[in-house]
Amino acid sequence: DAGVTQSPTHLIKTRGQQVTLRCSPKSGHDTVSWYQQALGQGPQFIFQYYEEEERQRGNFPDRFSGHQFPNYSSELNVNALLLGDSALYLCASRSYGQGLHGYTFGSGTRLTVV
Amino acid sequence: ELKVEQNPLFLSMQEGKNYTIYCNYSTTSDRLYWYRQDPGKSLESLFVLLSNGAVKQEGRLMASLDTKARLSTLHITAAVHDLSATYFCATGGSYIPTFGRGTSLIVHP
Repeated sequence: DAGVTQSPTHLIKTRGQQVTLRCSPKSGHDTVSWYQQALGQGPQFIFQYYEEEERQRGNFPDRFSGHQFPNYSSELNVNALLLGDSALYLCASRSYGQGLHGYTFGSGTRLTVV
Repeated sequence: ELKVEQNPLFLSMQEGKNYTIYCNYSTTSDRLYWYRQDPGKSLESLFVLLSNGAVKQEGRLMASLDTKARLSTLHITAAVHDLSATYFCATGGSYIPTFGRGTSLIVHP
């Protein structure tokens, strides 16, 4: 049973560019959340998608946007990259209605902005 | 704004010793979670605590929750090298977790 799959695993981008990160949720899960984890910090909530709509959003600028597809997979887009966007981006999935206990995290995408 | 504070942030201990990691949170929450993260890896769920006085144990790790004090502890008994990792607590409503900064644990032989 595949868990949460993220791609790519590593990415290097130049400041000002745009990036798209992808996430396939665990089988049976319909809700996807994205987190940003800076080096030495805890994960910070970006947003959550359910039924192809953004349901909740953390304190992140509009440069961060997302999408969920009918098969529940999701994308995270970041425009106008800044050096400070360098981080590990984690995707987590669960079945709607479950608490955090139901979250499964992917291995993450390490984004480096130069 | 919900704040979650962990201490210590760094912990270096010898094998066989006991220690406790503390997690304080600023507003009432009905659930508290502990995660483990190995370097370069994702988050692994350790415990979920759902009520005041809840205690859960898995191997050398035991977690407890005091909702009145807004405090959770993760106790390590007779530490072994394999426990070296970063430990996060998280809590929050609407199923959206707020994480602490994590406690980086290194267990020396």
